[in-house]
Amino acid sequence: TQLLEQSPQFLSIQEGENLTVYCNSSSVFSSLQWYRQEPGEGPVLLVTVVTGGEVKKLKRLTFQFGDARKDSSLHITAAQPGDTGLYLCAGRLMKTSYDKVIFGPGTSLSVIP
Amino acid sequence: ETGVTQSPTHLIKTRGQQVTLRCSSQSGHNTVSWYQQALGQGPQFIFQYYREEENGRGNFPPRFSGLQFPNYSSELNVNALELDDSALYLCASSLISGDGTQYFGPGTRLLVL
Repeated sequence: TQLLEQSPQFLSIQEGENLTVYCNSSSVFSSLQWYRQEPGEGPVLLVTVVTGGEVKKLKRLTFQFGDARKDSSLHITAAQPGDTGLYLCAGRLMKTSYDKVIFGPGTSLSVIP
Repeated sequence: ETGVTQSPTHLIKTRGQQVTLRCSSQSGHNTVSWYQQALGQGPQFIFQYYREEENGRGNFPPRFSGLQFPNYSSELNVNALELDDSALYLCASSLISGDGTQYFGPGTRLLVL
């Protein structure tokens, strides 16, 4: 069974603080996506990482793909209330008969003004 | 470029009824995947369609079925609804030859009473 774990599950921080969210698996992924989801809405793509060790930056968000392509992290600098939401990682599995993507359970982030 | 759309946005049904949810893929995308997301959890893969055929399936019973049409739009049908089917149903479109990135619709919130 392929599993994708995320930590922490919940995070409540003050505006201006930094935070890191982790995504881990024993499976190897050909690519990994990070999404942000607000209540009652669909996930919105933040980034796709493909190469082991890859680092991508999106304004105050920094994404890293592990060298072995089994894990990833999302770092947010100087969090703002607008960053509040559910952060989901999703990994595309290698060597499957179809385009199989598995999701982690999500990290619920609350940024307090 | 049009995004992924879903209809209806909300739906209330009773146990034993049948429901059909609809999805219109993003322009140019040939693959559609359906997910079920319970409150506070990550999306769970139901199935994927490519070239109008089911291309992969998650751990869902046969009463969950689907269709993909030549214009790449899709339907999710659920028969004999159960209370536990209450969830947000998400449709995601992608390219079979792409990097695994999926683009999600806003979802359909289904409540089974």
